[in-house]
Amino acid sequence: NAGVTQTPKFRVLKTGQSMTLLCAQDMNHEYMYWYRQDPGMGLRLIHYSVGEGTTAKGEVPDGYNVSRLKKQNFLLGLESAAPSQTSVYFCASSYNRGPGNTEAFFGQGTRLTVV
Amino acid sequence: GESVGLHLPTLSVQEGDNSIINCAYSNSASDYFIWYKQESGKGPQFIIDIRSNMDKRQGQRVTVLLNKTVKHLSLQIAATQPGDSAVYFCAENAKEYGNKLVFGAGTILRVKS
Repeated sequence: NAGVTQTPKFRVLKTGQSMTLLCAQDMNHEYMYWYRQDPGMGLRLIHYSVGEGTTAKGEVPDGYNVSRLKKQNFLLGLESAAPSQTSVYFCASSYNRGPGNTEAFFGQGTRLTVV
Repeated sequence: GESVGLHLPTLSVQEGDNSIINCAYSNSASDYFIWYKQESGKGPQFIIDIRSNMDKRQGQRVTVLLNKTVKHLSLQIAATQPGDSAVYFCAENAKEYGNKLVFGAGTILRVKS
């Protein structure tokens, strides 16, 4: 039972390069999320998905794109990386159990550095 | 708006003492709250949750208190252990915002042996 798995765990990019972060969950969760975590700040929601084929913007969506082609996978793309996107990225997933019940399970994080 | 903040960025306690971590939230429509623990180099882990129709919930060594009147949430850890050292986040969830979790900035808990 792997839970939520993120790949890669670490990556260094040059400004302007593109990359895709992969998140996979094996819990049959409907909801999936991408957060970024910066020093001294909480987790900020980038994009999220409420089901296969759907995506929506979170608090800080600019510079990122996402896709949810399969229920178990949620991809986060950076088309043209910028130093401001240096951060630790966390993927999470949750059931949609009904009103106000959305405990989320997190992956181990991806540390991205843009130079 | 959707904002959650914490009163204390760092809390140092002696091993064996009780810890209290506080959190203020601003969205009166939030109906579900969660505390997460994040150890160094790891993703956040669920500790305990509470719905807005409750004011107290207890787990193993942890208690969450919710005061909706002043929009305040606290996490109490009994007999704090070195393994409790971590960053603790409160998060709020509101149906009107699509059941998204909004996180606070976090509190560092340091346990002194």
